[in-house]
Amino acid sequence: NAGVTQTPKFRVLKTGQSMTLLCAQDMNHEYMYWYRQDPGMGLRLIHYSVGEGTTAKGEVPDGYNVSRLKKQNFLLGLESAAPSQTSVYFCASSLSAEQYFGPGTRLTVT
Amino acid sequence: QQQVKQSPQSLIVQKGGISIINCAYENTAFDYFPWYQQFPGKGPALLIAIRPDVSEKKEGRFTISFNKSAKQFSLHIMDSQPGDSATYFCANLGGAGTALIFGKGTTLSVSS
Repeated sequence: NAGVTQTPKFRVLKTGQSMTLLCAQDMNHEYMYWYRQDPGMGLRLIHYSVGEGTTAKGEVPDGYNVSRLKKQNFLLGLESAAPSQTSVYFCASSLSAEQYFGPGTRLTVT
Repeated sequence: QQQVKQSPQSLIVQKGGISIINCAYENTAFDYFPWYQQFPGKGPALLIAIRPDVSEKKEGRFTISFNKSAKQFSLHIMDSQPGDSATYFCANLGGAGTALIFGKGTTLSVSS
């Protein structure tokens, strides 16, 4: 099992550009999550999904959109990137309470 | 939004010492209190978790102590080792399903 994988690992964007981060899990988990991690701020929940075709807002959803068209994939989109979105993004999945995290994507917006 | 307050922000402990990290939570509606461990360049991973029907849970050198009346739980690392140097996060369930709200993290450095 690969667990939770994230694509890409690193990305540099210019302000105003768009991109999609892909998260995939092979554990047949119902729940999936996107977090961002910034120094001194811990992990903050952006959006999450409780099942295929469903999404919900977390703590810091503004500027992001998500889609869960397939159970194993959870996509995070930035339509118009801003420097404030420079961060490390983590995806996670769970069957119940324990969450399994991916290795992260480091995004820099210049 | 539910809050999870973690302290201290950073901690330096001598090898063999005891590391203690505290977490105060607000959401009393849920019954799961985890600690996650994160090494540099990696994603967080569950270290240990407790349900509130017990006041303490021990796994090897790691112990969670839970105080329901004070709405606090803490992580104790006995005989701390340099390999324990990492960032530790407490969390509380914060939304539908199993969405977690994390504390801001404690960076632990164990000096040899």
